[in-house]
Amino acid sequence: KAGVTQTPRYLIKTRGQQVTLSCSPISGHRSVSWYQQTPGQGLQFLFEYFSETQRNKGNFPGRFSGRQFSNSRSEMNVSTLELGDSALYLCASRLAGGSGEQFFGPGTRLTVL
Amino acid sequence: KNQVEQSPQSLIILEGKNCTLQCNYTVSPFSNLRWYKQDTGRGPVSLTIMTFSENTKSNGRYTATLDADTKQSSLHITASQLSDSASYICVVIPQNAGNMLTFGGGTRLMVKP
Repeated sequence: KAGVTQTPRYLIKTRGQQVTLSCSPISGHRSVSWYQQTPGQGLQFLFEYFSETQRNKGNFPGRFSGRQFSNSRSEMNVSTLELGDSALYLCASRLAGGSGEQFFGPGTRLTVL
Repeated sequence: KNQVEQSPQSLIILEGKNCTLQCNYTVSPFSNLRWYKQDTGRGPVSLTIMTFSENTKSNGRYTATLDADTKQSSLHITASQLSDSASYICVVIPQNAGNMLTFGGGTRLMVKP
């Protein structure tokens, strides 16, 4: 099976712009979670989607949003970008609910200038 | 305060040597504790997963231990190889928290020839 894929792998934006990141989970996986990783804060949970519904949300401002499609693919959107949004954004998928093992994608490196 | 603390923050060892990474946590109760390996610019890859009732779990040259009484876990790497150079992240999954993982800050390991 193919692993979790994320597009694009690298992105450069300027302050005030918005960005959309995409994640395709492993075939058959219905849960997709998003994480932000920065050198200062480490890995932080953004949100989880399961069957097109947001199930959990981390402590991030409303500028961060996401959605999941019927084929389990997910997108994450960040509006009004700030310099501090520069980070590696990781997507992870797993089969279903509970605390089953997650498989991470390679991430999207976002740089905000 | 971070509920998962890892030490040391960074470590340099010579190829062939053993090393032990530490993880102290306050998350309680939890469903399982995981160790991930993350190569630079890549997504984390699961090394071991332990439930709260397990004491040890091995994956090749990687052995994780868990002491639920002292709330400590360790990851022991035997006969290190250059490819072990990476960040190692301890992750605790609280009970009934779905997919809201609690991450440690990671230990950056460098193996030198």
